[in-house]
Amino acid sequence: KQEVTQIPAALSVPEGENLVLNCSFTDSAIYNLQWFRQDPGKGLTSLLLIQSSQREQTSGRLNASLDKSSGRSTLYIAASQPGDSATYLCAVGGANNLFFGTGTRLTVIP
Amino acid sequence: KAGVTQTPRYLIKTRGQQVTLSCSPISGHRSVSWYQQTPGQGLQFLFEYFSETQRNKGNFPGRFSGRQFSNSRSEMNVSTLELGDSALYLCASSLRDSGANVLTFGAGSRLTVL
Repeated sequence: KQEVTQIPAALSVPEGENLVLNCSFTDSAIYNLQWFRQDPGKGLTSLLLIQSSQREQTSGRLNASLDKSSGRSTLYIAASQPGDSATYLCAVGGANNLFFGTGTRLTVIP
Repeated sequence: KAGVTQTPRYLIKTRGQQVTLSCSPISGHRSVSWYQQTPGQGLQFLFEYFSETQRNKGNFPGRFSGRQFSNSRSEMNVSTLELGDSALYLCASSLRDSGANVLTFGAGSRLTVL
C-alpha cells in the first residue's frame, strides 16, 4: 500500500523567506503527484499537478518537483507571504485514487 | 463556473443515528470521490463513483455507502453512527477516474457525532 509522508509537520517562517516542503512516497509506480492547500475548516485547493512523466511544474511563486525513482517531491514557495499560511498536502495518484500525506502546517509571520 | 457543492456544511448527530451527505460535482464531471478527514488519520479514501457505478472503495466498514445519480450528483450515507465517525467529509469531482486526473474538492461537510 502506498504510504505518503510529509516533513516537517509544521513550519513557521518570517514573511519574505523562500521555503521548501517535502513529500516522500513508498511506491514509485504513480500516475501523478498533486499538491493541495487547505485553509482551516475548508476544502482542498489544487495548487500543482505533476504527471509521472514530468519532473516539475511551476505556477507563480510555487514550484513543485518530482523524483519518482527516489520517491520524493518538493514544493518550493518563493517570497512567502502571510496569505500563504495554510496546511499543504501532497497526494500521490494511483490507478484508482489519491493517497494523501498528513500535511505540513505553514505559518508565515508578518 | 460553479465549483463542487457539498451539503450540509455542518451537522450534529448522536450515536446510532444515520446521516446522508450530498455532493454536486462541477458540471460535466462524471467522477465523484469521497474522502474522510480526521486529525488522527488524515485524509482517507472512501469510494469513487463514475457514471452511477461504484468503481473503487476504500477500507471502510459497510456502514459507509454511497450512490451516484444520472446527473452525477452523489450522496454518501453512514448508518449506525459512532463517535469515531466525527470528521470532515470531502467530496471531489473530476472528468474521469480519480487517480489520473485533477480533482476539484468541495468545502466539505463537518459531521459531529455526540
